[in-house]
Amino acid sequence: HVHLQESGPGLVKPSGTLSLTCAVSGGSIISPNWWSWVRQPPGAGLEWIGETLHDGSNIYNPSLSGRVTISIDRPYSRFSLRLNSVTAADTAVYYCARVATQATKYRIPGALDVWGQGRAVVVSS
Amino acid sequence: QSVLTQPPSASGPPGQRVTVSCSGGRSNIGSNAVSWYQQIPGSAPKLVIYNNNLRPSGVPDRLSGSKSGTSASLAIGGLQSDDEADYYCASWDDSLKGVVFGGGTKLTVL
Repeated sequence: HVHLQESGPGLVKPSGTLSLTCAVSGGSIISPNWWSWVRQPPGAGLEWIGETLHDGSNIYNPSLSGRVTISIDRPYSRFSLRLNSVTAADTAVYYCARVATQATKYRIPGALDVWGQGRAVVVSS
Repeated sequence: QSVLTQPPSASGPPGQRVTVSCSGGRSNIGSNAVSWYQQIPGSAPKLVIYNNNLRPSGVPDRLSGSKSGTSASLAIGGLQSDDEADYYCASWDDSLKGVVFGGGTKLTVL
């Protein structure tokens, strides 16, 4: 079974950069699956941040585009999130997740079938 | 303000059937498949329905999904106490070019 685990600082200063990594185990990161980041502010709903594929292709939430970068590190079987110029509004639990496929190769947009446990990040001075 | 609209709450007694609705538009639900997630407070979301009405392995058939036009629904039959959770719908939006979520529905088993 594929397992995902987020890691990174739990506290980031305003105007700084939020950096998180998601380790993929129990399966290959070089697969037809896209790999995603989703966040959830305290007491609020889910927000899709973006996705990446093993070849470096990316799709980002337009509302965050310009501040967000998702990259993949194939040798270490992990992918990362960087969010620049953070404010208190970026305080959230950040989840990494795998995008499901059908027929083992076609991405199913919006269907995230494996999730990490989440990493709480607070933006505060 | 979420792109997909869900009622904030739903409830029912044990054994009953409850339906959670998700309303969108032509660029999202009207053109793309819908997924549903169950989230127990303090835990990560869990995919329970994808491609409108398919269940991942391990999800009981008491949960079912449907879609009609620009709306979708999640039905939970034979309510149990461990069905108490927040439920979210999601879909791709062709105009926004991204995944959009509903605001979530808190299900209470009375």
